[in-house]
Amino acid sequence: KQEVTQIPAALSVPEGENLVLNCSFTDSAIYNLQWFRQDPGKGLTSLLLIQSSQREQTSGRLNASLDKSSGRSTLYIAASQPGDSATYLCAKIQGAQKLVFGQGTRLTINP
Amino acid sequence: NAGVTQTPKFRVLKTGQSMTLLCAQDMNHEYMYWYRQDPGMGLRLIHYSVGEGTTAKGEVPDGYNVSRLKKQNFLLGLESAAPSQTSVYFCASSYLPLYSNQPQHFGDGTRLSIL
Repeated sequence: KQEVTQIPAALSVPEGENLVLNCSFTDSAIYNLQWFRQDPGKGLTSLLLIQSSQREQTSGRLNASLDKSSGRSTLYIAASQPGDSATYLCAKIQGAQKLVFGQGTRLTINP
Repeated sequence: NAGVTQTPKFRVLKTGQSMTLLCAQDMNHEYMYWYRQDPGMGLRLIHYSVGEGTTAKGEVPDGYNVSRLKKQNFLLGLESAAPSQTSVYFCASSYLPLYSNQPQHFGDGTRLSIL
């Protein structure tokens, strides 16, 4: 049973488009939800962290929302650029040391 | 500032061999973690440490051992490697627990193949 699900597994869009990545999770008893970026052959870089009491967080062209009641989070990327191509992972923080990851969405931005 | 450094970056082992993966961080972080990443499975926590001299089991600890003799280092050991342990291993560290809103810092990973 997958606790955190990301659909689609891969997404390809033309440069300049706005796009939304989806993350759904079971069990609304989460502390926080975090979005990461992973470039090929590299580790994870934290993008945004939404506390359970918050509805959204913004950083530059990125906006992440959290709806605990429906078990969903979205990552909105505005005016996409080729440099945004990467795998994006969401993870729910369920305890002091429990970080549960989704499988990720591999994003390709075509010039 | 190096952040989190993992050694080695690549390794190929034969079934039954042993090896140790090293994770070093220079940020004076208390918390350190070992994950494995497999296709279609996301990252799963193997073991973690909440401070020097402490270790604890994560989600998938079987077949692995860890040690945290120094605050800056977290070692992951495979005593008798099995093909099922072929994976990409990531180390991460943080200054405070995950629920404190402090993000983890990740290394670039160790790609391990067991033949």
